[in-house]
Amino acid sequence: SQELEQSPQSLIVQEGKNLTINCTSSKTLYGLYWYKQKYGEGLIFLMMLQKGGEEKSHEKITAKLDEKKQQSSLHITASQPSHAGIYLCGATQKLVFGQGTRLTINP
Amino acid sequence: DGGITQSPKYLFRKEGQNVTLSCEQNLNHDAMYWYRQDPGQGLRLIYYSQIVNDFQKGDIAEGYSVSREKKESFPLTVTSAQKNPTAFYLCASSMGSDLYRGNTEAFFGQGTRLTVV
Repeated sequence: SQELEQSPQSLIVQEGKNLTINCTSSKTLYGLYWYKQKYGEGLIFLMMLQKGGEEKSHEKITAKLDEKKQQSSLHITASQPSHAGIYLCGATQKLVFGQGTRLTINP
Repeated sequence: DGGITQSPKYLFRKEGQNVTLSCEQNLNHDAMYWYRQDPGQGLRLIYYSQIVNDFQKGDIAEGYSVSREKKESFPLTVTSAQKNPTAFYLCASSMGSDLYRGNTEAFFGQGTRLTVV
């Protein structure tokens, strides 16, 4: 079965700093989702990547899918307190998810 | 407004009892999913359904049961056989029914927090 591994599991950064979260799949991906979750709440859709080499941006968040479609990275530029939460990557086939990355932004 | 609704938000269950979590969507989505989330962990797939009257086990189906009698509804029953039912449960739906070719965006409910007392 397909597995997704996220790194790091936890990340604490100073407000205003850049950061990157990685997601690696055990199998080739048909597509990849990135979601954000605040503790105890549902998931908020950030973006979906489907093509090798694809890159998408939304406000200060950029996500890329590598050419081989087995790795993705999520990059946040000039982080803000509103970026704090749990970030989850998920495979579009069978909708399996990584274990999440807990992001804390310190003022 | 279209969306996916889970109820209740908080649920308490005595040991040995079955309890059913509701999930309803009005997005006309074919596929629906149930996940369990434990503190500090990601989402683990319990059951999924690609079409009405059909569903498949996910990675942690033991102690759970589901039904899909209507397209809009995918209730999850946590049975007394589930040894550690206390968790946060999330329901999702997506348009795609071909799980091996990928989906369009998947929508999530706000979750139900189940506590065994």
